[in-house]
Amino acid sequence: AQKITQTQPGMFVQEKEAVTLDCTYDTSDQSYGLFWYKQPSSGEMIFLIYQGSYDEQNATEGRYSLNFQKARKSANLVISASQLGDSAMYFCAMSSNAGNMLTFGGGTRLMVKP
Amino acid sequence: NAGVTQTPKFRILKIGQSMTLQCTQDMNHNYMYWYRQDPGMGLKLIYYSVGAGITDKGEVPNGYNVSRSTTEDFPLRLELAAPSQTSVYFCASSSQGKNTEAFFGQGTRLTVV
Repeated sequence: AQKITQTQPGMFVQEKEAVTLDCTYDTSDQSYGLFWYKQPSSGEMIFLIYQGSYDEQNATEGRYSLNFQKARKSANLVISASQLGDSAMYFCAMSSNAGNMLTFGGGTRLMVKP
Repeated sequence: NAGVTQTPKFRILKIGQSMTLQCTQDMNHNYMYWYRQDPGMGLKLIYYSVGAGITDKGEVPNGYNVSRSTTEDFPLRLELAAPSQTSVYFCASSSQGKNTEAFFGQGTRLTVV
């Protein structure tokens, strides 16, 4: 069985600073994917970034980067130059070798201070 | 470019009533999913489908049923609503390739009283 753990229920960050949201995972699969989704207060799920288990380079998408440490089974999301609009819930998720079904962590609520 | 469309957006049900949550996607995705999100929690997989005519249970299937008669539609049926089914329900779809991103609908907020 897969498991995703997000240990930070809530975090504050000052506008324009960088922030790291932690995610650790557990799986016996050799091939898997790691995803981060953003859920603003309006409730929709917005895809941010993806990292494959065999990708050697850390994924980056604009201000988002994924710090993938396979041996430690961690996939932390780094947001650079935080903006007020980054205030939201952030979910780490993983897909398995069996398919694209996602297992989600409990989420981290990020609050950006002006 | 509608993506994944869910209806209704909000619904209040009485205990024991039944309803169907509708989900349709226009991206020709083979994979479709239903998740539920309880307050302050992450999403949990209820059912999924890898193509028309094929469905399978996820982590929390009890109290729900699904069907997949077409590629576009994946309705979720609640037969005897219970307060424990009060949640936000998300439908999602993805292409067939492994480890591809899932596209989510806007969600349906269901309250059972």
